[in-house]
Amino acid sequence: DQQVKQNSPSLSVQEGRISILNCDYTNSMFDYFLWYKKYPAEGPTFLISISSIKDKNEDGRFTVFLNKSAKHLSLHIVPSQPGDSAVYFCAANGDGGATNKLIFGTGTLLAVQP
Amino acid sequence: DTAVSQTPKYLVTQMGNDKSIKCEQNLGHDTMYWYKQDSKKFLKIMFSYNNKELIINETVPNRFSPKSPDKAHLNLHINSLELGDSAVYFCASSQARGAVTEAFFGQGTRLTVV
Repeated sequence: DQQVKQNSPSLSVQEGRISILNCDYTNSMFDYFLWYKKYPAEGPTFLISISSIKDKNEDGRFTVFLNKSAKHLSLHIVPSQPGDSAVYFCAANGDGGATNKLIFGTGTLLAVQP
Repeated sequence: DTAVSQTPKYLVTQMGNDKSIKCEQNLGHDTMYWYKQDSKKFLKIMFSYNNKELIINETVPNRFSPKSPDKAHLNLHINSLELGDSAVYFCASSQARGAVTEAFFGQGTRLTVV
């Protein structure tokens, strides 16, 4: 029962262009979403988050969009840089911080070509 | 000055052995976690402790036992290791419960059971 889905296992983008990573969820109780970035042989590192009361959150080159009616969120990276090449995980929380338990998607491998 | 550190980074052992993975965080966080990333890249929570109190215990075989001597440490003991236990195990920590905050992850321990 996969509650958070990232249907694209990989994405290749040219340097300078926009990268769009997608994530779908099934549990309407989720009210907080996070994106993590992971390099090989390292742990995931937090990138950006969004609360369900918002539909957009921006931090520099990274913007997360949330469409609650579609149970869909996306991460936009613009402009993409070779150093952005990594696996990106979408994660969700639905207990208001009671446990901070995160439900992760399976990740999307982003390759930014120079 | 690593925030969340876990040892060892790699662990190769035979079936039936008992092994431990150690985790320490110097962020002053109250909550610590163990996540497992299996061969299909699913990253799933196993356990969570808040101030040495167990708050999350997912459906994990009782061969796995977390131990938290203090709020800065959360160790994972695994008894009678099986081939299916091979995975990457990530320790993480976050601030106090009550609000969703991002988790900080260690670099992971790649466990291989032969």
